[in-house]
Amino acid sequence: GEDVEQSLFLSVREGDSSVINCTYTDSSSTYLYWYKQEPGAGLQLLTYIFSNMDMKQDQRLTVLLNKKDKHLSLRIADTQTGDSAIYFCATSGGYNKLIFGAGTRLAVHP
Amino acid sequence: DTEVTQTPKHLVMGMTNKKSLKCEQHMGHRAMYWYKQKAKKPPELMFVYSYEKLSINESVPSRFSPECPNSSLLNLHLHALQPEDSALYLCASSQAASSSYEQYFGPGTRLTVT
Repeated sequence: GEDVEQSLFLSVREGDSSVINCTYTDSSSTYLYWYKQEPGAGLQLLTYIFSNMDMKQDQRLTVLLNKKDKHLSLRIADTQTGDSAIYFCATSGGYNKLIFGAGTRLAVHP
Repeated sequence: DTEVTQTPKHLVMGMTNKKSLKCEQHMGHRAMYWYKQKAKKPPELMFVYSYEKLSINESVPSRFSPECPNSSLLNLHLHALQPEDSALYLCASSQAASSSYEQYFGPGTRLTVT
């Protein structure tokens, strides 16, 4: 079945860039998504990329997609303490069923 | 406006109780979803409604009963739950139940079964 994998933890210094990586097995997904979840909250759609694109930039966020290697990354420029959260990568299947990775916990320290 | 609302925010119920979770969106979306999220895990799909009809039931136990009374509302009726059903229940919606449309999530209902 479909599988999405992410590293579990990333620690960065405030002001540095963060890069969160994701690999997936299902290449039929039309879009690939990044969601952010803060403690005790729901999921916030951060950004998404169409499967035919290589890169998408949205203010401090840059998404890179390597379809050949089935690798997706999210770069956060100038990381701030408010960026501390869990970040989920997700693909979508039939009936728009989202398949999530385990989530990467981003810790930002001064 | 991409808001999905859920009530209640927290719910504590005994194993013999009957309760309901409610989800609402006013974005004109025709697909709505229920996900269950256990602590330190990603969300897992439970149900998908498309145009008010149940399209997917991910082998969810019958003690969870979804209902979509109209295109803006989605309910999850709970009966005879077990302590292992304690989790965050998330509702989401999208324009349609197709992988071309992004899903927007509500804040969730944190359910504790005692």
